[in-house]
Amino acid sequence: ELKVEQNPLFLSMQEGKNYTIYCNYSTTSDRLYWYRQDPGKSLESLFVLLSNGAVKQEGRLMASLDTKARLSTLHITAAVHDLSATYFCAVDPGYNNNDMRFGAGTRLTVKP
Amino acid sequence: NAGVTQTPKFRVLKTGQSMTLLCAQDMNHEYMYWYRQDPGMGLRLIHYSVGEGTTAKGEVPDGYNVSRLKKQNFLLGLESAAPSQTSVYFCASSYPPGQGDTEAFFGQGTRLTVV
Repeated sequence: ELKVEQNPLFLSMQEGKNYTIYCNYSTTSDRLYWYRQDPGKSLESLFVLLSNGAVKQEGRLMASLDTKARLSTLHITAAVHDLSATYFCAVDPGYNNNDMRFGAGTRLTVKP
Repeated sequence: NAGVTQTPKFRVLKTGQSMTLLCAQDMNHEYMYWYRQDPGMGLRLIHYSVGEGTTAKGEVPDGYNVSRLKKQNFLLGLESAAPSQTSVYFCASSYPPGQGDTEAFFGQGTRLTVV
């Protein structure tokens, strides 16, 4: 059974600092997604990573995927308050199984 | 373009009552999903569908039923609601693998309380 683990679950950081969120998963997959959720809101897609070595960047966020290590990272550069949200990774196990599983989420708070 | 629309947005049920949550998408997506979100547990997949007329169980299917009679709609039913089903329910839809970016698009959620 596919398991997805994120860490840390809670992250409080100062504006201007850098940090990385980690997403580990237990079975082979080459499709991983990152989502953002603001309090009381729905989920918004951030990144789609579809192959080993994939790297995508949008503003202060950069996501990467290492399928051999079964690891994805979401790196935050020079954090700003607007990045405060909960970030989820989700893993799609494959073509014959669409049971996409989510991590528990990382609640990020960026303080001035 | 409405995307994914869920109704209702809020509902309070008494234990033992039944209800149906409706999800509608206008993006011609083949795949549709129902998740529940509980504090500290992320999103857990209840049921999903890979096409009209087909459904499959996810991680936590007990106590729920679904139907996909039309491609654009995916219904989630609770036959006899229990307090453990108090949660926020999200519907999502996506393209199948191989058809471009396959990220899921989510509805706004339904906050259900069972008392």
